[in-house]
Amino acid sequence: NSKVIQTPRYLVKGQGQKAKMRCIPEKGHPVVFWYQQNKNNEFKFLINFQNQEVLQQIDMTEKRFSAECPSNSPCSLEIQSSEAGDSALYLCASSGQGAYAEQFFGPGTRLTVL
Amino acid sequence: GDSVTQTEGLVTLTKGLPVMLNCTYQTTYSPFLFWYVQHLNEAPKLLLKSSTDNKRTEHQGFYATLHKSSSSFHLQKSSVQLSDSALYFCAMLSGSFNKLTFGAGTRLAVCP
Repeated sequence: NSKVIQTPRYLVKGQGQKAKMRCIPEKGHPVVFWYQQNKNNEFKFLINFQNQEVLQQIDMTEKRFSAECPSNSPCSLEIQSSEAGDSALYLCASSGQGAYAEQFFGPGTRLTVL
Repeated sequence: GDSVTQTEGLVTLTKGLPVMLNCTYQTTYSPFLFWYVQHLNEAPKLLLKSSTDNKRTEHQGFYATLHKSSSSFHLQKSSVQLSDSALYFCAMLSGSFNKLTFGAGTRLAVCP
């Protein structure tokens, strides 16, 4: 069973507000991923880290989204100015290092932007 | 770019019947495919994975075979149970940094 911890489980924000969510990866997993699952259950990759370094991120993440994985602290994903279209389930996953390493998912943070 | 296609949005079956959920993919890399299952309000959990051509992989009664000739990785089970009702996602590793590309998902509903 996955031991990825995500907080909060539910987050409600108004448009224009900041929304911040956190993820504690499984112990010993240096790679962290963020995915967005929309109301149609479609997944979109946002960003991934190895230790504290960004490996890859999409354009959306570069503009309104910010993410970090500081040493000895939870990883975080923050939306600077929430929009209605950001309402979704945000899933954090972690994995070991190396090609084909299995990703273990947390339960997600469900963001609702009113 | 890389893509994963699941053709069925919803599959409804009676308990005890067999099921096959379709998954095809497109990639320029060597394919590594996964099936994830997501129950309501839970995290996606890995069900199966494979990168070996024509080799059947099995777990918890589900099985799938990666066929590179047809770019397919269909999920099957010989006898579905009520507890199998869930969302099933086919996914593929894309690119150099292990991000997953997911299909649209298939909801499996098993009736008594």
